[in-house]
Amino acid sequence: ETGVTQTPRHLVMGMTNKKSLKCEQHLGHNAMYWYKQSAKKPLELMFVYSLEERVENNSVPSRFSPECPNSSHLFLHLHTLQPEDSALYLCASSQERQGIEQYFGPGTRLTVT
Amino acid sequence: RKEVEQDPGPFNVPEGATVAFNCTYSNSASQSFFWYRQDCRKEPKLLMSVYSSGNEDGRFTAQLNRASQYISLLIRDSKLSDSATYLCVVTQYNQGGKLIFGQGTELSVKP
Repeated sequence: ETGVTQTPRHLVMGMTNKKSLKCEQHLGHNAMYWYKQSAKKPLELMFVYSLEERVENNSVPSRFSPECPNSSHLFLHLHTLQPEDSALYLCASSQERQGIEQYFGPGTRLTVT
Repeated sequence: RKEVEQDPGPFNVPEGATVAFNCTYSNSASQSFFWYRQDCRKEPKLLMSVYSSGNEDGRFTAQLNRASQYISLLIRDSKLSDSATYLCVVTQYNQGGKLIFGQGTELSVKP
């Protein structure tokens, strides 16, 4: 596999469920990101990990919990979500954090019922 | 005021047309500039970086005007395959270099 992969590609969950999104990058990058993309809105940065340490948390509700066990893997743990959390969740990676090209995964389209 | 603002579109143009997208940014500390392309239900992909001197890649030309805080993308001889949403992206050194995305401009090229 190449690039950035994400699983699952589609997820439907109830508000009381717990699920996790997975991201894996095969590019040797040392920074990884979670973004949320809602309809007709700009991509919103949620979390940034650099060298496996969380360096940014953009006021994201605690029902979203990221985990970065190593530089190639990133998870987003979800629990007690709300319908307004339905969106496309994109993972990205870059060689470093400082404003260079980010490579995106295909995203997980999440629907909360 | 939005940090990065684009014409929302959609732009509906015939094949072969020339189309221009505009983008403005609010923070004068913005450091790097990009255009990304996002196809329907796909992830964003880098189209081109934008340099102060302007740069061209085939049918695509990007311009930056720092004084006016304005970025543009010109597509010449548009193809059906150019149909996508074009995202204007800036980074700001004082925000750790994170990417700030505009809401995107949708382009539809018709035969």
